[in-house]
Amino acid sequence: DTGVSQDPRHKITKRGQNVTFRCDPISEHNRLYWYRQTLGQGPEFLTYFQNEAQLEKSRLLSDRFSAERPKGSFSTLEIQRTEQGDSAMYLCASSSRTGESYNEQFFGPGTRLTVL
Amino acid sequence: GESVGLHLPTLSVQEGDNSIINCAYSNSASDYFIWYKQESGKGPQFIIDIRSNMDKRQGQRVTVLLNKTVKHLSLQIAATQPGDSAVYFCAEKESGTASKLTFGTGTRLQVTL
Repeated sequence: DTGVSQDPRHKITKRGQNVTFRCDPISEHNRLYWYRQTLGQGPEFLTYFQNEAQLEKSRLLSDRFSAERPKGSFSTLEIQRTEQGDSAMYLCASSSRTGESYNEQFFGPGTRLTVL
Repeated sequence: GESVGLHLPTLSVQEGDNSIINCAYSNSASDYFIWYKQESGKGPQFIIDIRSNMDKRQGQRVTVLLNKTVKHLSLQIAATQPGDSAVYFCAEKESGTASKLTFGTGTRLQVTL
């Protein structure tokens, strides 16, 4: 399968713990995105990378959240001192850039986080 | 802030009928629109996209219509099948921005036999 993959698929943690999620984009996609989705809502943009550079961050991304893409391939999203309000599905997407064209974002299956 | 919204939260159609899912967007600066399908427990799946310099685009069994005058987007699914049952989201990208998609809250499509 050459789609976007995410790990783990499910994570249950206690409030106050740190969690880290991983995203492997489609090979050779230079753009990678993180979104958060709560039940019944559409995904909300969190942050975006072009290669290894983090170019945009949402106001939703508090200082407890950090994302990296050190080698321009896979990315990690870490949440420190988790709170119950962090419970959500965390989605990763990737796309390619062809000149100035905008290409569709392909989403992974998501990581469902439950904070107890 | 500006957002993408949907008129109908749930749409029920009979198998074989055509489905039309509507979306109203408020950001006149958006230049790119996508429809995604999301099944339970899965990530959104790309269906079809359209750029603001077009008003219609067709795919396999799906057609997207864009009316910039009234800021309206629709997804038409021909001969709806049980496998089309899912939540459908429209999303928009603002012109001049690199990437961020703004999603609406979704419409659930239920296909009855």
